[in-house]
Amino acid sequence: RKEVEQDPGPFNVPEGATVAFNCTYSNSASQSFFWYRQDCRKEPKLLMSVYSSGNEDGRFTAQLNRASQYISLLIRDSKLSDSATYLCVVREGTGTASKLTFGTGTRLQVTL
Amino acid sequence: NAGVMQNPRHLVRRRGQEARLRCSPMKGHSHVYWYRQLPEEGLKFMVYLQKENIIDESGMPKERFSAEFPKEGPSILRIQQVVRGDSAAYFCASSPSADTQYFGPGTRLTVL
Repeated sequence: RKEVEQDPGPFNVPEGATVAFNCTYSNSASQSFFWYRQDCRKEPKLLMSVYSSGNEDGRFTAQLNRASQYISLLIRDSKLSDSATYLCVVREGTGTASKLTFGTGTRLQVTL
Repeated sequence: NAGVMQNPRHLVRRRGQEARLRCSPMKGHSHVYWYRQLPEEGLKFMVYLQKENIIDESGMPKERFSAEFPKEGPSILRIQQVVRGDSAAYFCASSPSADTQYFGPGTRLTVL
């Protein structure tokens, strides 16, 4: 079983649509959770951290369910510029356990 | 404040040659991480270094790969006797502590 699993997509949605991505992780000891965005042939960029209480940043909302080991990202009012691959990322701990574990990503294509 | 810098951006090597990839972390960051992204796959952790110390090398192949982060100068990821399977994008990330990691633009290695 992969440590972090995501639906690879692609998700093809029209501009203005709402789209949701899901992610599950296998290590119950994981402590920190993130969504990164990666454009084609570019480096990953932090989109947002994910907290148990849920958090929102503009059109983006992230949720974490520790009991189910499940993370989600909701994008409202999709823009063409949202087209990218969205990476679910988990970190086990801090200090020497601070490496990031990446999912393979979910590709989003927003169209006119 | 310049971001994480990596060079070269593109590197072509023939089988059996050596590849040296350099990473200059953001100013003030003493933690460096190397990740590898094979075509159509997610990023995989390789090694985590602080100045002059390897903290976690659990993701490094046992042979041909080495990394260093000297007191002065950039971090170096060295691959000896490259093979075609080493062709990938190699990303470096830095952080001021074991916290949010900021990624460089990557080095795309092609082994002929």
